Amino acid sequence: AAGVIQSPRHLIKEKRETATLKCYPIPRHDTVYWYQQGPGQDPQFLISFYEKMQSDKGSIPDRFSAQQFSDYHSELNMSSLELGDSALYFCASSFSAGADTQYFGPGTRLTVL
Amino acid sequence: KQEVTQIPAALSVPEGENLVLNCSFTDSAIYNLQWFRQDPGKGLTSLLLIQSSQREQTSGRLNASLDKSSGRSTLYIAASQPGDSATYLCAVRKGNTPLVFGKGTRLSVIA
Repeated sequence: AAGVIQSPRHLIKEKRETATLKCYPIPRHDTVYWYQQGPGQDPQFLISFYEKMQSDKGSIPDRFSAQQFSDYHSELNMSSLELGDSALYFCASSFSAGADTQYFGPGTRLTVL
Repeated sequence: KQEVTQIPAALSVPEGENLVLNCSFTDSAIYNLQWFRQDPGKGLTSLLLIQSSQREQTSGRLNASLDKSSGRSTLYIAASQPGDSATYLCAVRKGNTPLVFGKGTRLSVIA
């Protein structure tokens, strides 16, 4: 069965650079969630989209922005990267943001040097 | 604000033992509860999802129970195997909202 796809899987950037992470949800899933997991931490919610509109916002820095496109894929744009942004970034998708299971992608490991 | 606590933080057991992982949450008005497995540096694998109206879910050697009124869930793993070694995360959802995670229980099953 198709799963959530994230790209790239690994990314290394310098401080103050910009990064773009991509997420392709499971086919027919219309809701995408972004989570950040720092080293040794639990995942923290950043932002979510339902039917291409922002549905909820968590602890996402102002330096980050995201959107969901017409084909339901989503991109997380991160600017002015800081060392503390180094983390695993997970994307999850579900159907209709309801009671359905959230299925997580493999994550993108971002390292900021 | 919803808070999710998992006890113990780490657990080491010999192969073959049955074990229980605990999860508690402060706001009992949840929509559902989900148990995940995470291997080091890897993604999250969904193990079981329990809706707020359900009491338990089973998948193979795994059984998850939910006592919504007391704000507790347990994950029971039968006949543990070395391949079960991973971090197990509990997460709850209130209404149409994102998941709130606990910090996980790091399980080691010793052969």
